[in-house]
Amino acid sequence: NAGVTQTPKFQVLKTGQSMTLQCAQDMNHNSMYWYRQDPGMGLRLIYYSASEGTTDKGEVPNGYNVSRLNKREFSLRLESAAPSQTSVYFCASSGRTVNNSPLHFGNGTRLTVT
Amino acid sequence: AQSVSQHNHHVILSEAASLELGCNYSYGGTVNLFWYVQYPGQHLQLLLKYFSGDPLVKGIKGFEAEFIKSKFSFNLRKPSVQWSDTAEYFCAVTLFGNEKLTFGTGTRLTIIP
Repeated sequence: NAGVTQTPKFQVLKTGQSMTLQCAQDMNHNSMYWYRQDPGMGLRLIYYSASEGTTDKGEVPNGYNVSRLNKREFSLRLESAAPSQTSVYFCASSGRTVNNSPLHFGNGTRLTVT
Repeated sequence: AQSVSQHNHHVILSEAASLELGCNYSYGGTVNLFWYVQYPGQHLQLLLKYFSGDPLVKGIKGFEAEFIKSKFSFNLRKPSVQWSDTAEYFCAVTLFGNEKLTFGTGTRLTIIP
């Protein structure tokens, strides 16, 4: 049971570089989410996708784009990385809705932008 | 916009002490409330949740939380903590029917053996 799989686990970027964080879930979940976790700020929602083909902004969407490629995969792209995007990124999914099934989190991607 | 406040940033307790972590939310609609826990080096997992009914909800590992609507609060409690409860605890809220789960800033709990 893989659950939610994120790649890569670690990444170092230079300012201005781009990259895509990959996320896949094998639980047939409808909803998928991207959060960033920063010390003292908890988890902040970047984008979410309530179903295949739909995406919505969360609290901190600026500087990011997402793609819900299919039901399994939800990628997060940084077009031009900035030091403020240094963070730990978590992908999560939930069954029907976040209100009646808990979030299942991936193991995170630790991103450093220099 | 909905928000969640956790005023205790770091709590240090001895084993067997009682625990109460505060959580307040600011939202006027019908809310669903959650507590998630993140053990060192692990990802978040659900501790307990409240949707409706009995305002006192019980979760895993002996934790419970009470929803007090008049105070917009959902405090987490445990009568006797263990060293293994050392973790970071996050309160979270959604508006009923909404997929947007908003987390508080978290409370780091350290249990001294």
